[in-house]
Amino acid sequence: DAEITQSPRHKITETGRQVTLACHQTWNHNNMFWYRQDLGHGLRLIHYSYGVQDTNKGEVSDGYSVSRSNTEDLPLTLESAASSQTSVYFCASSSNLGSNTEAFFGQGTRLTVV
Amino acid sequence: AQSVTQLDSQVPVFEEAPVELRCNYSSSVSVYLFWYVQYPNQGLQLLLKYLSGSTLVESINGFEAEFNKSQTSFHLRKPSVHISDTAEYFCAVTFTGGGNKLTFGTGTQLKVEL
Repeated sequence: DAEITQSPRHKITETGRQVTLACHQTWNHNNMFWYRQDLGHGLRLIHYSYGVQDTNKGEVSDGYSVSRSNTEDLPLTLESAASSQTSVYFCASSSNLGSNTEAFFGQGTRLTVV
Repeated sequence: AQSVTQLDSQVPVFEEAPVELRCNYSSSVSVYLFWYVQYPNQGLQLLLKYLSGSTLVESINGFEAEFNKSQTSFHLRKPSVHISDTAEYFCAVTFTGGGNKLTFGTGTQLKVEL
């Protein structure tokens, strides 16, 4: 079965360190997204990609970057981790650009910055 | 810009009782509406969606939601809840021509008690 997997599931890092969260999907979807989930804010869009070599900033992109070198993967990098980036991160994918298309989510990565 | 409001952060309810989770949206263009459910320590799953046509949409596990354009609402209802419905529920929108980028509400924690 096709799926979307995130790794690691849990990560503790120190302030100032670079951290990369992995997202891999086997749906062969063109669109991939990164969201962060925080209490009182729901999920907010960090970055997204509509295909290989395409990346775009979302609502809360400061301090984060992504790259899309193939269809399957969209790693999220925190250049210099800050305590404000402690959160649960979700990766999602969808099949086409239509606004009515369902998104499929990974299990999430809980990141703690100490 | 569009926004989604879920006024109730928590809704406690007894098993077999009815429940309504409220969702209101704001947008200057046409939107598509979604309800996602997040069970503990899991990613989000699509519960149901409104794209067009009948304003009442149903899920396979007994939930339904009604799109009300005049009130800009998409409330989620279930006539009789079960313990297994305990989860966090997110209302979300995409807008026509905006790709698959989801804008989420802040979520409602449904806690079903015996």
